[in-house]
Amino acid sequence: DQQVKQNSPSLSVQEGRISILNCDYTNSMFDYFLWYKKYPAEGPTFLISISSIKDKNEDGRFTVFLNKSAKHLSLHIVPSQPGDSAVYFCAAANTGGFKTIFGAGTRLFVKA
Amino acid sequence: GAVVSQHPSWVICKSGTSVKIECRSLDFQATTMFWYRQFPKQSLMLMATSNEGSKATYEQGVEKDKFLINHASLTLSTLTVTSAHPEDSSFYICSARAPDLARYGYTFGSGTRLTVV
Repeated sequence: DQQVKQNSPSLSVQEGRISILNCDYTNSMFDYFLWYKKYPAEGPTFLISISSIKDKNEDGRFTVFLNKSAKHLSLHIVPSQPGDSAVYFCAAANTGGFKTIFGAGTRLFVKA
Repeated sequence: GAVVSQHPSWVICKSGTSVKIECRSLDFQATTMFWYRQFPKQSLMLMATSNEGSKATYEQGVEKDKFLINHASLTLSTLTVTSAHPEDSSFYICSARAPDLARYGYTFGSGTRLTVV
């Protein structure tokens, strides 16, 4: 039972353009959502998060949008840079229960 | 900050032996830590939730006797892979909830690559 889904295993974007990474969740008990960037053989690096009481959070080039009715969130990176190339994981948490569930990840390629 | 240190970063052990992995929160106290496992080209799978001073909560399908978790202090959780076999070879990562969740999220260690030969 995949509670958090990232349906695109990979995404290729030209440098300078926008990268949009999508994530869907099924459990309405999730109240906090996070995006992580990960390189092979390293732990995930936290990028940005959003509480379920908000629908948008922005931090520099990264913006996360949350659509609670659709149980959908997305990460926008603009402008995309070659250094953004990595695997991006979406995660959903229930802050009361402290459990965090990850999606399968989307590999982003930013071409120079 | 909210730093989680994980040790060792890689380990090779013989089949049948046990391996202990440590996860420390360096600049904050963590009553709860999490242990994940990642197979090649797959997502992070939550194995268990480690609770300070009490028993860990294991996810369905994770063998409690195989993966022993101890959370003896507010800054240290350990995962012991007992009687390791080649199929236990994987990348294990711990995480803890940072006090400033919005700024640091759930902070992760750097991971441990376990190879059982």
